Amino acid sequence: GAGVSQTPSNKVTEKGKYVELRCDPISGHTALYWYRQSLGQGPEFLIYFQGTGAADDSGLPNDRFFAVRPEGSVSTLKIQRTERGDSAVYLCASSLEPTGELFFGEGSRLTVL
Amino acid sequence: SQKIEQNSEALNIQEGKTATLTCNYTNYSPAYLQWYRQDPGRGPVFLLLIRENEKEKRKERLKVTFDTTLKQSLFHITASQPADSATYLCALGHSSASKIIFGSGTRLSIRP
Repeated sequence: GAGVSQTPSNKVTEKGKYVELRCDPISGHTALYWYRQSLGQGPEFLIYFQGTGAADDSGLPNDRFFAVRPEGSVSTLKIQRTERGDSAVYLCASSLEPTGELFFGEGSRLTVL
Repeated sequence: SQKIEQNSEALNIQEGKTATLTCNYTNYSPAYLQWYRQDPGRGPVFLLLIRENEKEKRKERLKVTFDTTLKQSLFHITASQPADSATYLCALGHSSASKIIFGSGTRLSIRP
């Protein structure tokens, strides 16, 4: 597709379960970002990849959160032992260059019951 | 800690007037600043980028200023239209290998 694709668009899970959120960036974009957005708030930075490596993971809230980008394209955000406070929209964005404009997906809405 | 502040209250503007949104930052020296538009239930959409050595950028009805002394950016929409109603986010980046952080956004409503 032409844009950033995120799946699933909606995920409802129970407290304590494991969740994976997937991001397909725009082809050729080397930079990839994950953000978390709660209602009425701006996107909160989680992690930034340049190629396959995590250039900055300082926004990951704790060790239950982990993200990978093994081939420098698709990325997966993994959340272990989900908590109700993890409920939010998880946004992925990609960029052709590190200081360029970010192209966002429509987000994955995670609800933890 | 780094902090980005945008107009906390929603902004209500009469159609045809100029809307001005503010982005202030502290404890940060950004190399560039970006503005995004976000509609309900959608991802943000890029509007403009301005670098630290630029004072002003324009694109159609949009104008952005960047004052590194005041640590402030102003975002203007001239001849505003109801279709401009959305949340507007400012975002800051420090260098070519750093994260981009966002403000909390300002909700703008343009009434006919």
